[in-house]
Amino acid sequence: AQSVTQLGSHVSVSEGALVLLRCNYSSSVPPYLFWYVQYPNQGLQLLLKYTSAATLVKGINGFEAEFKKSETSFHLTKPSAHMRDAAEYFCAVRGTSYGKLTFGQGTILTVHP
Amino acid sequence: DTAVSQTPKYLVTQMGNDKSIKCEQNLGHDTMYWYKQDSKKFLKIMFSYNNKELIINETVPNRFSPKSPDKAHLNLHINSLELGDSAVYFCASSFDNNSGNTIYFGEGSWLTVV
Repeated sequence: AQSVTQLGSHVSVSEGALVLLRCNYSSSVPPYLFWYVQYPNQGLQLLLKYTSAATLVKGINGFEAEFKKSETSFHLTKPSAHMRDAAEYFCAVRGTSYGKLTFGQGTILTVHP
Repeated sequence: DTAVSQTPKYLVTQMGNDKSIKCEQNLGHDTMYWYKQDSKKFLKIMFSYNNKELIINETVPNRFSPKSPDKAHLNLHINSLELGDSAVYFCASSFDNNSGNTIYFGEGSWLTVV
């Protein structure tokens, strides 16, 4: 079984500031971890994923995430926020083939001018 | 070209009606899914099909019946719609030979039951 907890349902940053969205997971098997972004009234788009290769994963739009097994975390960061980053972000975990992708509750990112 | 397409995007219907949402993927994937996103934006899997075979069937009322005529299509039929069925339904697909494979999502179908 697996689960994901996203700390903070809302995160607000100023344009140009660091973005940090937190994700902790629980999994009984080695996890595969994903971050998806959802813009208003749109579908889910993959930002990046961890698949047991490099622990620091770079994704699209300047985002990256680091897998830390000791902390069971996969936090998403971006050095400098842009207005277009305003969206909802979902962390997800998957354990096995044919297994479901289990999502966290999402974090809404607001970027202020 | 749209990878995972679902229709309709918006659907408003009355309680008690029966409705279907269609989904098609042109990625050649062998596995397709239906996810439900509730009013609090929580996403939860409903069904998963691999090569037309039902793999995952979460605790979903049997008013919801998925149908996969072929690997590229997974439709969702809902009978006797209730107010609580109002949600966004996402179709998705992937190759399923590795848990690290990306699951691609459609644009969603916004269902409102009145």
